[in-house]
Amino acid sequence: DVKVTQSSRYLVKRTGEKVFLECVQDMDHENMFWYRQDPGLGLRLIYFSYDVKMKEKGDIPEGYSVSREKKERFSLILESASTNQTSMYLCASSLEQLNTEAFFGQGTRLTVV
Amino acid sequence: DQQVKQNSPSLSVQEGRISILNCDYTNSMFDYFLWYKKYPAEGPTFLISISSIKDKNEDGRFTVFLNKSAKHLSLHIVPSQPGDSAVYFCAASARSGTASKLTFGTGTRLQVTL
Repeated sequence: DVKVTQSSRYLVKRTGEKVFLECVQDMDHENMFWYRQDPGLGLRLIYFSYDVKMKEKGDIPEGYSVSREKKERFSLILESASTNQTSMYLCASSLEQLNTEAFFGQGTRLTVV
Repeated sequence: DQQVKQNSPSLSVQEGRISILNCDYTNSMFDYFLWYKKYPAEGPTFLISISSIKDKNEDGRFTVFLNKSAKHLSLHIVPSQPGDSAVYFCAASARSGTASKLTFGTGTRLQVTL
């Protein structure tokens, strides 16, 4: 049974803080993703990684960076948090093969005040 | 530029009736389509998928239909149950460089009433 675990369910941070969101998966998946979910906008891809130390920008990478030092762990970094980064953040992982689904973590609700 | 569109933000259906959720896409490179279900404060869970070489896939009460020429897919739930009340996201997959990534629609909130 695939498990994707995000380190926090809820976070409250101040504007300007550096924020780390951590995600770990236990199924040896090659691909890992960070999305944010906002009302009326659905899930939007921030960054994804297809291998250790490899990353690609998604649709909305501005204000974010990522780190993948180990295959099972993918971190999302908000260099200087802003109020417009208040959102639900979702991590996902998938195998690198055709026609396969992604498995999601439980989400982190981040509030920037 | 929304490549995957769910034009109905909400849908209300009586228990026992059919729920039909619709999704349109614009990118002809999408070759695999998925539906996810999401409850509040939880991550999305995979529901059902369909390859672009098929036009129908069925799994219990859930059926997904794909019309490639119209770039349209739909999810049918029959019979609908109160536990089906959730937000449903349509997603489409295409290769991006060395990885396959999913593009999601904006979601449809389904409410199944008693």
